[in-house]
Amino acid sequence: GAGVSQSPSNKVTEKGKDVELRCDPISGHTALYWYRQSLGQGLEFLIYFQGNSAPDKSGLPSDRFSAERTGGSVSTLTIQRTQQEDSAVYLCASSSGTQYFGPGTRLLVL
Amino acid sequence: AQSVSQHNHHVILSEAASLELGCNYSYGGTVNLFWYVQYPGQHLQLLLKYFSGDPLVKGIKGFEAEFIKSKFSFNLRKPSVQWSDTAEYFCAVNLAAGNNRKLIWGLGTSLAVNP
Repeated sequence: GAGVSQSPSNKVTEKGKDVELRCDPISGHTALYWYRQSLGQGLEFLIYFQGNSAPDKSGLPSDRFSAERTGGSVSTLTIQRTQQEDSAVYLCASSSGTQYFGPGTRLLVL
Repeated sequence: AQSVSQHNHHVILSEAASLELGCNYSYGGTVNLFWYVQYPGQHLQLLLKYFSGDPLVKGIKGFEAEFIKSKFSFNLRKPSVQWSDTAEYFCAVNLAAGNNRKLIWGLGTSLAVNP
């Protein structure tokens, strides 16, 4: 596709369950970013992938959060044992200079 | 620590009014600067960006922004707003050097334009 896509668009889960969020970047973009957008807050950087380099995980809020990027393309963000404070919109962006954003996954943890 | 400040959290204007949204950053080194817009129900879109060169940059939909290095500012302007400009506006900054271009974001400014 022409843009960044994310799935699912919405996810409702129960506290304590694991969730996986998917991001398909723009073809050819070597950099991929995950951000979190909470109500009334700015965007919070989570993790960054660049080519085959080790990812920058400095923004992950806890060890319950992890992400991988397979084959330098699709990325999955996993949240284990979800908590209510994990509720937010999770945004993925890909870049070859300027970051272009996907529509986000709205996560609600009950 | 690096930070981006947007001074106006909520702005309400009438159509045809002029707009200026403030953005200041605290970031060592040469920076790239961005304004993104999020229309209701839509995802973030790039409005304009500054990498180098002319500090006055023009973006889509009649928006422009001026980079004033001495003031660490990158204010967004539009001479005459329209109802369709109602949206959330975010200023963001990253370092121009190095491989990691993670963006540092302001908290956003909610703009409501009354018809």
